[in-house]
Amino acid sequence: AQKITQTQPGMFVQEKEAVTLDCTYDTSDPSYGLFWYKQPSSGEMIFLIYQGSYDQQNATEGRYSLNFQKARKSANLVISASQLGDSAMYFCAMRELGNTPLVFGKGTRLSVIA
Amino acid sequence: KAGVTQTPRYLIKTRGQQVTLSCSPISGHRSVSWYQQTPGQGLQFLFEYFSETQRNKGNFPGRFSGRQFSNSRSEMNVSTLELGDSALYLCASSFGTGDSYEQYFGPGTRLTVT
Repeated sequence: AQKITQTQPGMFVQEKEAVTLDCTYDTSDPSYGLFWYKQPSSGEMIFLIYQGSYDQQNATEGRYSLNFQKARKSANLVISASQLGDSAMYFCAMRELGNTPLVFGKGTRLSVIA
Repeated sequence: KAGVTQTPRYLIKTRGQQVTLSCSPISGHRSVSWYQQTPGQGLQFLFEYFSETQRNKGNFPGRFSGRQFSNSRSEMNVSTLELGDSALYLCASSFGTGDSYEQYFGPGTRLTVT
């Protein structure tokens, strides 16, 4: 069963607008971590934001925030005030407690339009 | 602080040959993970090392192997290369291993098998 689902293969957003990238996950572990990464065309994966399953508040890092809805098992990434440099692939990932690897979704390609 | 470095960045090999890829983690990081990224399969976990011990292994054939040295640098080896091994190989390091440690990725090694 797929553990991370990103249902939007591609999205467009106007510069300076906000955009939400969807991510749902599947786990029966009470303790897990959720991560978002950005991959520009250069190939390098850039860590953006982390949310722990026990965190009471949604994580924020600059223009990035994570809309964490535990009961719905969703961890959507919100990018505010989009910039042209935000055009990239975005991956949602999860790691469960214990000796388990980081598991990635298929990604969403975001294109920011001037 | 220097980021994760991977060498070489690009590699062209012939079917049947073997290849060794190298990864130097961020200073102080003891965990190194390897991933294979292809357009068809996305990001797939290969293995994770922590303090020279393999902690986790993905679902790849035995032709894929790795190791970690006492200075936390890691190498992965692919023997008897096949056309399907053409991919971007990403290395990631983290301070620890577990659901709350973010992984920082290197720029990747793009392997082409002809």
